[in-house]
Amino acid sequence: EAGVTQFPSHSVIEKGQTVTLRCDPISGHDNLYWYRRVMGKEIKFLLHFVKESKQDESGMPNNRFLAERTGGTYSTLKVQPAELEDSGVYFCASQKGVGEAFFGQGTRLTVV
Amino acid sequence: AQSVAQPEDQVNVAEGNPLTVKCTYSVSGNPYLFWYVQYPNRGLQFLLKYITGDNLVKGSYGFEAEFNKSQTSFHLKKPSALVSDSALYFCAVRDMRSGGYNKLIFGAGTRLAVHP
Repeated sequence: EAGVTQFPSHSVIEKGQTVTLRCDPISGHDNLYWYRRVMGKEIKFLLHFVKESKQDESGMPNNRFLAERTGGTYSTLKVQPAELEDSGVYFCASQKGVGEAFFGQGTRLTVV
Repeated sequence: AQSVAQPEDQVNVAEGNPLTVKCTYSVSGNPYLFWYVQYPNRGLQFLLKYITGDNLVKGSYGFEAEFNKSQTSFHLKKPSALVSDSALYFCAVRDMRSGGYNKLIFGAGTRLAVHP
């Protein structure tokens, strides 16, 4: 069984550019979460999808961040325009029912 | 406010010695507690969890954690450390407002360095 896959693994962009991160959850997992770890601090929740619906987006920093999960399969997280403080590692996790959350390897985003 | 604290940025231990990585939490009600590990260039891997029952929880790779309600702690332990245990360890608690979903509140992480 394939795990949670995130693309790209690394991204370096200039301030003001747009970046789109992708997460492919484990097949059959309805729950998909996005988290972010900034500058060696704690990992913080961004949002949670149940299938294609946003269950909780209370952690999204501002309206420069847009997450989608069309068809309830993979998810994208777009940052437009990117700012320096958006740099960090973005993790995606998927979960089936009330089971364990499985995390991807993360996308390291660097905004210069 | 709900929170998780990992008071040590780094823990150094000699191979073969016991290790402890500390975690304290602050939530109302009965907590759901987790430990995750991140090896270099890898994603977060689940180690163990406490939901209810026995306060000593056993997990992957020989790790265990002890839930202490009075001290609001959930320290991660291993009797004999291996060099391969060197990694970044995160403690987490389920957000009690998440309605049963696994929305997690993480600590800042503790880097474990095991020296030969």
